[in-house]
Amino acid sequence: AQSVTQLGSHVSVSEGALVLLRCNYSSSVPPYLFWYVQYPNQGLQLLLKYTSAATLVKGINGFEAEFKKSETSFHLTKPSAHMSDAAEYFCAVSEGPYSGGYQKVTFGTGTKLQVIP
Amino acid sequence: ETGVTQTPRHLVMGMTNKKSLKCEQHLGHNAMYWYKQSAKKPLELMFVYSLEERVENNSVPSRFSPECPNSSHLFLHLHTLQPEDSALYLCASSQDRRNTGELFFGEGSRLTVL
Repeated sequence: AQSVTQLGSHVSVSEGALVLLRCNYSSSVPPYLFWYVQYPNQGLQLLLKYTSAATLVKGINGFEAEFKKSETSFHLTKPSAHMSDAAEYFCAVSEGPYSGGYQKVTFGTGTKLQVIP
Repeated sequence: ETGVTQTPRHLVMGMTNKKSLKCEQHLGHNAMYWYKQSAKKPLELMFVYSLEERVENNSVPSRFSPECPNSSHLFLHLHTLQPEDSALYLCASSQDRRNTGELFFGEGSRLTVL
């Protein structure tokens, strides 16, 4: 069985400061890992994904995440926070594959990022 | 149109009403999903359709009834709901030949049950 733990339901950073959102996973097989972002009153949008290629994954809006197998972690970082980064961020794991394009994805509980001017 | 479109965006209904949520994807995907998002809870997978067949039903109460008439459309029929069913209902689709798990979400339908 797979699971995802996101440490900290709320994180506050100053504008221009480092953003670090933590995610740990458990999976019985090599996982695929994702970070999604959700802005208010919107659906989830993919930020980045790890699919067993490079361990450092770059995503949209300057975010990146590093897959560390020994630590079972996939933390999300951004060197300099911007006001527009204020949103809720979800870490997710998928064990796949299933036929017909069906994915079984497990999401974390989310971390709300507040950016202070 | 592109992506995943959900209608209506907002819905208020009484406990005795019958209503439906609609999802349409324009991505050529062959799997579609309903998720429920409640405050302070992880996203809950409700139903999955793959190639128009239901492949997952996560112990969802029968007052929620999904329908997938074709690979582009997904409905969630609602009847005799409870106030605790108030939530954001998200539709998603996927089509990934390597089955990595990337989901494409709609903007959601905000449901309020009075």
